[in-house]
Amino acid sequence: GQQVMQIPQYQHVQEGEDFTTYCNSSTTLSNIQWYKQRPGGHPVFLIQLVKSGEVKKQKRLTFQFGEAKKNSSLHITATQTTDVGTYFCAGIDYKLSFGAGTTVTVRA
Amino acid sequence: DAGVIQSPRHEVTEMGQEVTLRCKPISGHDYLFWYRQTMMRGLELLIYFNNNVPIDDSGMPEDRFSAKMPNASFSTLKIQPSEPRDSAVYFCATSPGQFGYTFGSGTRLTVV
Repeated sequence: GQQVMQIPQYQHVQEGEDFTTYCNSSTTLSNIQWYKQRPGGHPVFLIQLVKSGEVKKQKRLTFQFGEAKKNSSLHITATQTTDVGTYFCAGIDYKLSFGAGTTVTVRA
Repeated sequence: DAGVIQSPRHEVTEMGQEVTLRCKPISGHDYLFWYRQTMMRGLELLIYFNNNVPIDDSGMPEDRFSAKMPNASFSTLKIQPSEPRDSAVYFCATSPGQFGYTFGSGTRLTVV
């Protein structure tokens, strides 16, 4: 079955720096979704990517879907303390499977 | 829209007791999912419904777990009997299709 792997598991970032988290699937995905979960909260939908090579931006967040539709990345520029949380990618073959997430902490 | 509503928010129960978790989906969302989140296993899909019909329950851990969706406005996840290893946060999520799931706030279950 489909497996979605995320790296790194943990990301410690200095405020103001950039970082990238990566998502890789063992199978081709019809689409990929990204979610953010704040500490003690629930996952919140951020974005969905559908097309091969697609790039979407949300303010300081840039999401990319690989050409083969088997990988994706989330790049955050100028990290802020509000970016703290766990970022999950989730891929669909016939159901949504979540990666283990990248937990981000920010040093002020 | 009040979003996906789950109850209770917290549940502490003794091993062997029956536990019922409840979910009210967003009106018009045809898909309903039950997830379990633990540190060790992350977010696991337990079961999902489409138009109130269970489609895939392959993630349900064992016969102690059961889920129902008697109508489009309500779903339950029941554990009987509960065990300490069932302690986790249980999320209900709904979607109008295979697009952006909306999660409820979750039920934090502790079995002692």
